[in-house]
Amino acid sequence: GENVEQHPSTLSVQEGDSAVIKCTYSDSASNYFPWYKQELGKRPQLIIDIRSNVGEKKDQRIAVTLNKTAKHFSLHITETQPEDSAVYFCAAIDNQGGKLIFGQGTELSVKP
Amino acid sequence: GAVVSQHPSRVICKSGTSVKIECRSLDFQATTMFWYRQFPKQSLMLMATSNEGSKATYEQGVEKDKFLINHASLTLSTLTVTSAHPEDSSFYICSALLSSYNEQFFGPGTRLTVL
Repeated sequence: GENVEQHPSTLSVQEGDSAVIKCTYSDSASNYFPWYKQELGKRPQLIIDIRSNVGEKKDQRIAVTLNKTAKHFSLHITETQPEDSAVYFCAAIDNQGGKLIFGQGTELSVKP
Repeated sequence: GAVVSQHPSRVICKSGTSVKIECRSLDFQATTMFWYRQFPKQSLMLMATSNEGSKATYEQGVEKDKFLINHASLTLSTLTVTSAHPEDSSFYICSALLSSYNEQFFGPGTRLTVL
């Protein structure tokens, strides 16, 4: 089955700087890669996703890139703000039953 | 957008009792729902896939007789933690699959504390 590795586990940036979180996956047949933001005690919130037929997608300050050959995808947050502080999870769809397999999470801290 | 509710949001129970958690898709039908468990400062771990009208598919290491899943309708799946013990204390989150978009929508989670 699918295995997703995420790093770094913690990331601290200054307000206004960029943050990059990277994930790798194992199943070359996976075709959907969402990113979630989770605040303490809350549900994961989908912030952006990418499907395997595109290499990059952008939504305001957030962008995701996908390299199918290398089997890795990354989240880029520009002009970070304190309210971006949260835990971010990458995930990949396991083609065996459509299960979401999550990365280990990255705790992002944006210092004002 | 698609909305998923979960009830209760928080439950405290004594060791040995059973606890039922409900997951509902409020504005769409979901033939497939998923149950996750999340321990503090850890990722979401998939416990099982719940399919309407059929038996759930459990992930390796998850005891099906301890975590009973019922998906009796297209909008409701339930997870019953039987004979709960303190090590079952965790944050349980469900999600419902919106098939037309192949996207999962998460419930708000249930914080279970077993004393």
